[in-house]
Amino acid sequence: NAGVTQTPKFRILKIGQSMTLQCTQDMNHNYMYWYRQDPGMGLKLIYYSVGAGITDKGEVPNGYNVSRSTTEDFPLRLELAAPSQTSVYFCASSEGGASSTDTQYFGPGTRLTVL
Amino acid sequence: AQTVTQSQPEMSVQEAETVTLSCTYDTSENNYYLFWYKQPPSRQMILVIRQEAYKQQNATENRFSVNFQKAAKSFSLKISDSQLGDTAMYFCAFMKGANAGNMLTFGGGTRLMVKP
Repeated sequence: NAGVTQTPKFRILKIGQSMTLQCTQDMNHNYMYWYRQDPGMGLKLIYYSVGAGITDKGEVPNGYNVSRSTTEDFPLRLELAAPSQTSVYFCASSEGGASSTDTQYFGPGTRLTVL
Repeated sequence: AQTVTQSQPEMSVQEAETVTLSCTYDTSENNYYLFWYKQPPSRQMILVIRQEAYKQQNATENRFSVNFQKAAKSFSLKISDSQLGDTAMYFCAFMKGANAGNMLTFGGGTRLMVKP
């Protein structure tokens, strides 16, 4: 059981370039999330999805886009990369809904540097 | 909006001793969940323990336990018999009750160093 997987693990972008961070989960979870973690800080929510075809903004959505065409995949798109987007990006998933055992499971992260 | 505050940026403890990490939060919600996550140097986020706000009993998981004070909005983590593998960043996190997107709000983290 792979859980939540993310690719790539590392990436260096030039200012103005675009890229997609991939996230896949094999737990049949309804909810998926993208967070960013700046150095020495906690995680901040970028976007989340409560099911295929449904996405919504989190705390820091500017400069990013997401889509959720399948239950398993939740890619994060960076358009026109800026140095302020240098961060570690985490994808997470959870069962979702009214379950009191809803716990988020995190992927290993993608370290992105924009120069 | 919810806020989570961890007032101790760094802490250290001797191996086999006990350490307590502090966390306070601010919310107007009555139904919510609280979590402690561990992030070792590998960067993987690992769930340590969770607490449902409606439960008065403090959660425990082996050497890890919490002191949940709902009225004071305090949620501290106690690590007993500290081990070298406990060295990591520890994040306190808040989640509103179900059907609200189940989003986590994280504190800034506490870096814990366990010394041999």
